[in-house]
Amino acid sequence: QVQLVESGGGVVQPGRSLRLSCAASGFTFSGYAMHWVRQAPGKGLEWVAVISFDGSNKNYPDSAKGRFTISRDNSKNTLYLQMNSLRAEDTAVYYCARDRGGYYASESYFDYWGQGTLVSVSS
Amino acid sequence: QSVLTQPPSVSGAPGQRVTISCTGSSSNIGASYDVHWYQQLPGTAPKLLIYGNSNRPSGVPDRFSGSKSGTSASLAISGLQAEDEADYYCQSYDSGLSGSVFGGGTKLTVL
Repeated sequence: QVQLVESGGGVVQPGRSLRLSCAASGFTFSGYAMHWVRQAPGKGLEWVAVISFDGSNKNYPDSAKGRFTISRDNSKNTLYLQMNSLRAEDTAVYYCARDRGGYYASESYFDYWGQGTLVSVSS
Repeated sequence: QSVLTQPPSVSGAPGQRVTISCTGSSSNIGASYDVHWYQQLPGTAPKLLIYGNSNRPSGVPDRFSGSKSGTSASLAISGLQAEDEADYYCQSYDSGLSGSVFGGGTKLTVL
């Protein structure tokens, strides 16, 4: 069965960096695009980043461009999110999610989700 | 302010039918991009409920159905059950933003 397990969350001061990881199992990780989606406390879902199956294509919304970097290691079946210059508004549960296909496309959706890891940005 | 607009809350009695709307614009739903729906039970991660406007993944009961017309989409839940109490989110693609967008979420209360 598909399993996605996030880690790396915690409390971090504003302006600092944090790297999240997502360990995948139960499917051919190297065959799927992968996403990060976040949810601020008591708020809705916000798409954060996507990477293609081979890491050759990456996309971000404006809120993440320039500060967040998505990457993957297919040999380790692991997805990463490097977050720099963190702000209070980045406080959220961060979920990794599998795309329905190998490349991000307009018809993309998230067919499996991890349990999430909480990032709290506070001084 | 979410790109896709959903009612904050809906409610219904067990056995009843409820619908949740998701209203977009000409740069997302109205541009013929697919709409997908997710269910988030309290304290858990979202789960895919409907994909491609009206398709159910394996294991999702046929009490859940989706439709799309113009710049809007709807999720219908018939034969309401207590375990359906959750937050529901719609998702699509926005060409102006060049990325995936979500609705603000709708909290379903089963009375």
